[in-house]
Amino acid sequence: QKEVEQDPGPLSVPEGAIVSLNCTYSNSAFQYFMWYRQYSRKGPELLMYTYSSGNKEDGRFTAQVDKSSKYISLFIRDSQPSDSATYLCAMQDSSASKIIFGSGTRLSIRP
Amino acid sequence: GAVVSQHPSRVICKSGTSVKIECRSLDFQATTMFWYRQFPKQSLMLMATSNEGSKATYEQGVEKDKFLINHASLTLSTLTVTSAHPEDSSFYICSAMTGGDTQYFGPGTRLTVL
Repeated sequence: QKEVEQDPGPLSVPEGAIVSLNCTYSNSAFQYFMWYRQYSRKGPELLMYTYSSGNKEDGRFTAQVDKSSKYISLFIRDSQPSDSATYLCAMQDSSASKIIFGSGTRLSIRP
Repeated sequence: GAVVSQHPSRVICKSGTSVKIECRSLDFQATTMFWYRQFPKQSLMLMATSNEGSKATYEQGVEKDKFLINHASLTLSTLTVTSAHPEDSSFYICSAMTGGDTQYFGPGTRLTVL
């Protein structure tokens, strides 16, 4: 079993829709949870960084962490074509060093 | 924000040759740098962790004699793929960490071995 599971997609939604991206994990030691956006042929860009459970909002992006269910989500409101990219969830344990990535979800926003 | 650069951005080489990829932290000192590899449509896989002035720590299954990592200064780490073969063709990405917990990623280097 992989430590982090993420549906690879592809996920295609119309512009303006709310997008929900999710990951599950198995290691209860994970304390830090991240979402990265990666455009084609580019390095990943950090979108959201949260510690432990709860919600965090930044503009159109909201990250949720439910440690009891070992489940994290990223919501994108008012989605734009420029949001089309691969979104990777990632996690770290309390030592906050090595990052374990999900496989990434390819998202396409249709104009 | 913290910027990490990689050079070259793309390299094509013949099988059997060695290729060096540089990773630099431009506006901060990176005590720790990480090297990842990403095959098409797959996630990033950590190859090794390097701390300035000490030997790199390699992940299980990564050949340390094939992927040589040198972290000579607080702003530069290099990855040398020795005797590259077509199966080494991949997207190589580095990241750098300051004293905090956040890793900043470079733009990646696409290696194609013919």
